[in-house]
Amino acid sequence: DQQVKQNSPSLSVQEGRISILNCDYTNSMFDYFLWYKKYPAEGPTFLISISSIKDKNEDGRFTVFLNKSAKHLSLHIVPSQPGDSAVYFCAAEGGFKTIFGAGTRLFVKA
Amino acid sequence: GAGVSQSPRYKVAKRGQDVALRCDPISGHVSLFWYQQALGQGPEFLTYFQNEAQLDKSGLPSDRFFAERPEGSVSTLKIQRTQQEDSAVYLCASSLVWREGLYEQYFGPGTRLTVT
Repeated sequence: DQQVKQNSPSLSVQEGRISILNCDYTNSMFDYFLWYKKYPAEGPTFLISISSIKDKNEDGRFTVFLNKSAKHLSLHIVPSQPGDSAVYFCAAEGGFKTIFGAGTRLFVKA
Repeated sequence: GAGVSQSPRYKVAKRGQDVALRCDPISGHVSLFWYQQALGQGPEFLTYFQNEAQLDKSGLPSDRFFAERPEGSVSTLKIQRTQQEDSAVYLCASSLVWREGLYEQYFGPGTRLTVT
């Protein structure tokens, strides 16, 4: 069973506009949620995280929102830049395990 | 080194061969994780070490998979009698501490294993 789901395999956005990447989860016991970014032939790189006791965390152009009642989180990138084009993984931390979604490929068009 | 390194970067094995994948974590990082990433999927947890102790190996798919970290630094993931379904990218990650707050994991570039 997929505990962390990213239902959109890809997203295309114009440079300067907002990118919104979505993630749903099923386990209400997760303590932290994270977003990782991955370029081809590289390992994932940590982007931003949020504790389950918060509903928003912001870091520069990146903001993560958590809606616990809906078991949903989203990553907002404003403004989007061509260098943001990558695969974005949503992840949830439970115990010693980090459980990843399947990823969403973001294309930012110049 | 500045980051997590893994070797080899690419490995082609014939079905039935044994393989060993190496991970050099960031110096001083207590925690080390192995993941398996199939094509088009996210990384899937395999096992976790805190120093030399393997605290969770629940993600290892079969007893053909074995991981060790004998001195609490370098780790090796060994796959015996490889099968085609073992073809994937194997990622290693390390972090300073785990479970005392949240510490991000630093990932290596991965080893792409192809079993023919």
